[in-house]
Amino acid sequence: AQSVTQLDSQVPVFEEAPVELRCNYSSSVSVYLFWYVQYPNQGLQLLLKYLSGSTLVKGINGFEAEFNKSQTSFHLRKPSVHISDTAEYFCAVSRSANFGNEKLTFGTGTRLTIIP
Amino acid sequence: DAGVTQSPTHLIKTRGQQVTLRCSPKSGHDTVSWYQQALGQGPQFIFQYYEEEERQRGNFPDRFSGHQFPNYSSELNVNALLLGDSALYLCASSSRGETIQETQYFGPGTRLLVL
Repeated sequence: AQSVTQLDSQVPVFEEAPVELRCNYSSSVSVYLFWYVQYPNQGLQLLLKYLSGSTLVKGINGFEAEFNKSQTSFHLRKPSVHISDTAEYFCAVSRSANFGNEKLTFGTGTRLTIIP
Repeated sequence: DAGVTQSPTHLIKTRGQQVTLRCSPKSGHDTVSWYQQALGQGPQFIFQYYEEEERQRGNFPDRFSGHQFPNYSSELNVNALLLGDSALYLCASSSRGETIQETQYFGPGTRLLVL
């Protein structure tokens, strides 16, 4: 079975400062990795995903993440945050590349708060 | 093109009652998955429906059941509600057997409060 750990439950960051949200996973098989964002009172929106190939993945809204197999990590970064980035961020894994029939296992989330 | 829609948006029930939540998948999708997101937690997989059958199930009791209709829409039923069933219930749709680029699209959720 796979699992996801998001060590930081809350991350406050000043506006226009860089941010890194940490995600570590464990699995006995190869996994596929995702970051989702959840704005207040909304569902989940996919930010980016790692399937294979380049370990640096670029997503929407200026976010990027780096897959590190040796450290089993998939940290999310943004060089300069904005007030609109205030949200809950979830890291997730899937065992299968065929996402249409594979469940996602989520971490507990990191609440990103942008300080003006 | 409408995305994933869920109804109702909010619901209040009392312990012991039964509830039905509904989900319409994104156009072109044939698979529906349900997730429970308790307050302050990440979503947890309940089950997945494809071709009107339950294909996968997470660690949830039999009180949680579902159905998928020929038009691919789905219902989640919870019997004998407990206080701990209070959560945001998310529906995700996808296309089974599609390419590696396919992903799951989530609806806005139904927030259930059990008193």
